[in-house]
Amino acid sequence: AQSVTQPDIHITVSEGASLELRCNYSYGATPYLFWYVQSPGQGLQLLLKYFSGDTLVQGIKGFEAEFKRSQSSFNLRKPSVHWSDAAEYFCAVGGNQGGKLIFGQGTELSVKP
Amino acid sequence: DTEVTQTPKHLVMGMTNKKSLKCEQHMGHRAMYWYKQKAKKPPELMFVYSYEKLSINESVPSRFSPECPNSSLLNLHLHALQPEDSALYLCASSQGLERNYEQYFGPGTRLTVT
Repeated sequence: AQSVTQPDIHITVSEGASLELRCNYSYGATPYLFWYVQSPGQGLQLLLKYFSGDTLVQGIKGFEAEFKRSQSSFNLRKPSVHWSDAAEYFCAVGGNQGGKLIFGQGTELSVKP
Repeated sequence: DTEVTQTPKHLVMGMTNKKSLKCEQHMGHRAMYWYKQKAKKPPELMFVYSYEKLSINESVPSRFSPECPNSSLLNLHLHALQPEDSALYLCASSQGLERNYEQYFGPGTRLTVT
């Protein structure tokens, strides 16, 4: 079965600290993986995506993610968090049925001053 | 331009009203989507259109009626909604239905059913 797990419902980090958000997927074939961010009351913005090739993917706003096939993981990282990064983060995998994205439950990020 | 626009931003309607949500994209995308999102939850897929034809209906109640007048526009007609239908409704588009195509989301319409 296809699924995405984000183990952390809520994470709090201090401004300027590093960040890692975890994402584990279950998918039989080559996964196409995405990270989206959603600020309160807003739509989802694509941060980055992985299809193939280099397993370290750079995205917008200083984010990067590393694909590890052996661990079925696609963790999102940022070296130094800014207060404006406080938001909900969703990991997703492109599903078998055309157009379906399979989302994780999301991780809410809070940033302490 | 990677923008998907949605109108209105907010909508309050009674259970006997009829209203419509509108979505527009000018990226030349051939696939468009409607999602429903409750607070603190991921978006739930409702409908998918590909080349202006309905491709997926995720067993959505008939009080929600989608329409795709052309490749740039997507509507969601609402009738006789229930209070539990109150949610953020998101529209998205992508180049096509293949798994590797990322979806671009609009800002959403916050719907409240009274």
